[in-house]
Amino acid sequence: AQTVTQSQPEMSVQEAETVTLSCTYDTSENNYYLFWYKQPPSRQMILVIRQEAYKQQNATENRFSVNFQKAAKSFSLKISDSQLGDTAMYFCAFMSNTGTASKLTFGTGTRLQVTL
Amino acid sequence: DVKVTQSSRYLVKRTGEKVFLECVQDMDHENMFWYRQDPGLGLRLIYFSYDVKMKEKGDIPEGYSVSREKKERFSLILESASTNQTSMYLCASSSLGGTKQYFGPGTRLTVT
Repeated sequence: AQTVTQSQPEMSVQEAETVTLSCTYDTSENNYYLFWYKQPPSRQMILVIRQEAYKQQNATENRFSVNFQKAAKSFSLKISDSQLGDTAMYFCAFMSNTGTASKLTFGTGTRLQVTL
Repeated sequence: DVKVTQSSRYLVKRTGEKVFLECVQDMDHENMFWYRQDPGLGLRLIYFSYDVKMKEKGDIPEGYSVSREKKERFSLILESASTNQTSMYLCASSSLGGTKQYFGPGTRLTVT
């Protein structure tokens, strides 16, 4: 079974600064997907960024980028130029590339507070 | 945009009651999921369905059942609610072979 570990329960960053959220995972599979999801306070969970394991290039979405280290099974999220709207719970998630449905395995989450 | 709706944002039930949580998606997605979210535990998969009338157990199915009679609707059933089922319940959907899951707003269930 896959496991996803987020070792930072809470983090804080000042507006306009850069912050990195850590995630490690464990799997014996070679083909899979990794995700970062964002859950703002009292709002719906939304996908931030996705990485396909077979792609060496790190995914980027505007101010959000990942550092994917497949051998180390590490998948960190970097938020540049942090904004107040980035305040949220962030979940790292793993999805196998096999099976009948695309099930997600989530980490325990990191609560990010962006301050003035 | 995909819309996933859940029947209630907040629900309070008594121990032993039968509880129905409803989820509806409007994008003709084949896959639907029920998770529970607890502080310090993240999201854990309860059940999922990849087609009408098809269901599979997730990681924590004990105490729950599901029903999918129509493609757009996926119901989570607590046959006899217990206090340890007090939690936030999130529904999600995705297309066949799709990797992006779309989440509903969640139902915060309190069992007293």
